[in-house]
Amino acid sequence: DQQVKQNSPSLSVQEGRISILNCDYTNSMFDYFLWYKKYPAEGPTFLISISSIKDKNEDGRFTVFLNKSAKHLSLHIVPSQPGDSAVYFCAAKGLMNYGGSQGNLIFGKGTKLSVKP
Amino acid sequence: KAGVTQTPRYLIKTRGQQVTLSCSPISGHRSVSWYQQTPGQGLQFLFEYFSETQRNKGNFPGRFSGRQFSNSRSEMNVSTLELGDSALYLCASWDRGETQYFGPGTRLLVL
Repeated sequence: DQQVKQNSPSLSVQEGRISILNCDYTNSMFDYFLWYKKYPAEGPTFLISISSIKDKNEDGRFTVFLNKSAKHLSLHIVPSQPGDSAVYFCAAKGLMNYGGSQGNLIFGKGTKLSVKP
Repeated sequence: KAGVTQTPRYLIKTRGQQVTLSCSPISGHRSVSWYQQTPGQGLQFLFEYFSETQRNKGNFPGRFSGRQFSNSRSEMNVSTLELGDSALYLCASWDRGETQYFGPGTRLLVL
């Protein structure tokens, strides 16, 4: 059962326009979310994160919005650049289990973003 | 600071063999997690270590094991390799914050 879902496997956007990547989750107890960017055969690169006590976090061209009631978050990239072309993963931090573990990120399947010049 | 390093970067093994992968976390980071990425299953959590102790384990068979040393470096081992173990194995490290930083991964091919 997928707890973090990215329903769009791919997205194509023109350079300079906005890219919006979406992510849904099922567990209302998740309290921290992250977005990673990944190129083939490389490790994910951290982009931006948001705590469940906030509804928006901004870092340069990247903004993440969190709608807790809808269990939905989105990543906005404005303006999009060809170098942004990559696979984007949404992740939720796993719930604290006995012993205080917080090390298991639960990932969506990813959305492949293509930014065309 | 140097990032997370993983060795080797690429590995080819045959079925039934065992393999050991290594991860050096960012200096000062005491927590390490391992993930497996495959085309079908995506990124899946394997295990997490803090101060040489395994704190959490994902849903993988006992053939997958790991350990962490006193300098926070970590290794994972897969015994009796199967074709389905072919994957990109990723290590991530973090300190007190919530953000995990990933290494470049080890690409394992099992023939």
